[in-house]
Amino acid sequence: GAVVSQHPSRVICKSGTSVKIECRSLDFQATTMFWYRQFPKQSLMLMATSNEGSKATYEQGVEKDKFLINHASLTLSTLTVTSAHPEDSSFYICSARPVQRGTDTQYFGPGTRLTVL
Amino acid sequence: QKEVEQNSGPLSVPEGAIASLNCTYSDRGSQSFFWYRQYSGKSPELIMFIYSNGDKEDGRFTAQLNKASQYVSLLIRDSQPSDSATYLCAGVITTGTASKLTFGTGTRLQVTL
Repeated sequence: GAVVSQHPSRVICKSGTSVKIECRSLDFQATTMFWYRQFPKQSLMLMATSNEGSKATYEQGVEKDKFLINHASLTLSTLTVTSAHPEDSSFYICSARPVQRGTDTQYFGPGTRLTVL
Repeated sequence: QKEVEQNSGPLSVPEGAIASLNCTYSDRGSQSFFWYRQYSGKSPELIMFIYSNGDKEDGRFTAQLNKASQYVSLLIRDSQPSDSATYLCAGVITTGTASKLTFGTGTRLQVTL
């Protein structure tokens, strides 16, 4: 149980284009999903918290107009990197927190490796 | 001061030995802590979580929490080469009704033959 999928697993795009990444909880419902970014040899950095049916909460320094988050259902959140540039190249990982009360456990998706040329 | 701190390592232990990974945290309000394992190029996978003071055992893994001293540790018994990975400690930070995980930078473990 507690499986989270991400699609695509890897994407290469040209500078200036937009890329959409999907995060799905496959066997549980998640009112809250999280989007992280990880640069090589660095730890996970939380970008934003995505709540089903409401606006995402972005961490300080993360541009909400550049990283668009939509959490339309209890099993799906999407991250769109708009007008991507080479410095946006990174490993993007989502996680999902089950609906059950009293749990802070997050289950991670397999990640999406973005390369912007 | 970082909210969750870990020694980056690498921590090198021989196969079959006990690996001890440590983590300290600054927010006394943090109530729950998680250990994740991350292999190179992969996303983190949950090993275990701990909420109460004391020890919690799951197979070869034991998590220890000491809220008075604000540290969390993970012991791996009978270490195997497949345990070689980066281990991430995370604490829950709650602001109002929202909670999120704050991760340490991770400790790289190398289990040698």
